[in-house]
Amino acid sequence: AQSVTQPDIHITVSEGASLELRCNYSYGATPYLFWYVQSPGQGLQLLLKYFSGDTLVQGIKGFEAEFKRSQSSFNLRKPSVHWSDAAEYFCAVGATSGTYKYIFGTGTRLKVLA
Amino acid sequence: KAGVTQTPRYLIKTRGQQVTLSCSPISGHRSVSWYQQTPGQGLQFLFEYFSETQRNKGNFPGRFSGRQFSNSRSEMNVSTLELGDSALYLCASSQGPTNEKLFFGSGTQLSVL
Repeated sequence: AQSVTQPDIHITVSEGASLELRCNYSYGATPYLFWYVQSPGQGLQLLLKYFSGDTLVQGIKGFEAEFKRSQSSFNLRKPSVHWSDAAEYFCAVGATSGTYKYIFGTGTRLKVLA
Repeated sequence: KAGVTQTPRYLIKTRGQQVTLSCSPISGHRSVSWYQQTPGQGLQFLFEYFSETQRNKGNFPGRFSGRQFSNSRSEMNVSTLELGDSALYLCASSQGPTNEKLFFGSGTQLSVL
C-alpha cells in the first residue's frame, strides 16, 4: 500500500541552525514527491517537488530536498532557519498512474527558538 | 489572480445535521480535490473532480459526497454529522488533468457538537 511516514512529530531548532525534516515513502514505482508548508490558520503552500531528473531539488524560501531511491526517502533541508519558518511541514506522494490523489504524511511541526 | 476560495471559514453544527461546504478554484483550474485534516492524522483524501466528473474517491463513508459544477466550482456535503467529522476541510485546485501541483484554500473549520 502507498504510504508516507514523517517520523518526527515535533522539531525545535534555534534560529540560524540547520534543519532536516525526514520523509519516507512506500510506493510501487518512482512517485511524484512534494513538500508543503502550512502556517497556522492557512492552507498548504508548495515548497518544492520532484518528478524526475536531478535528485536534489531546490524550492522556495531557501529549502531543498534530496530524493534517495535506495532509502525511499525525500528529506527536506534548510541551511539556516529563520523564525518565520515556524510552521507545519507535510511530505506527500502524488499521482503518477492516474489516481489523481495525493497521500500525505502526518506532518512535522517546526518550532524556532530566537 | 485570486486564489482558491473556501466558504464558510468556520462552521458549527450539531450531531445529525448536514452541512455543505463550497470551494471556488483558481480561474482556469479544472480539477478540484477535497481533503480532511485532523490533528495527528494529517490530510486524508476525500475525492477529486475534473470537468464535473469524480475521478477518485477516498475511504470515507457515503455520508460524504461532492459535486463539481460547469464553472469548476465544487461543493462537498456531509450528512448526518458525527462528532468525529470535526476537522479542517481543505479544497485544492490544479490546472491540468494530472494534478502536478495543488493550490490549497485556507479551509473550512467544521466543529460538530
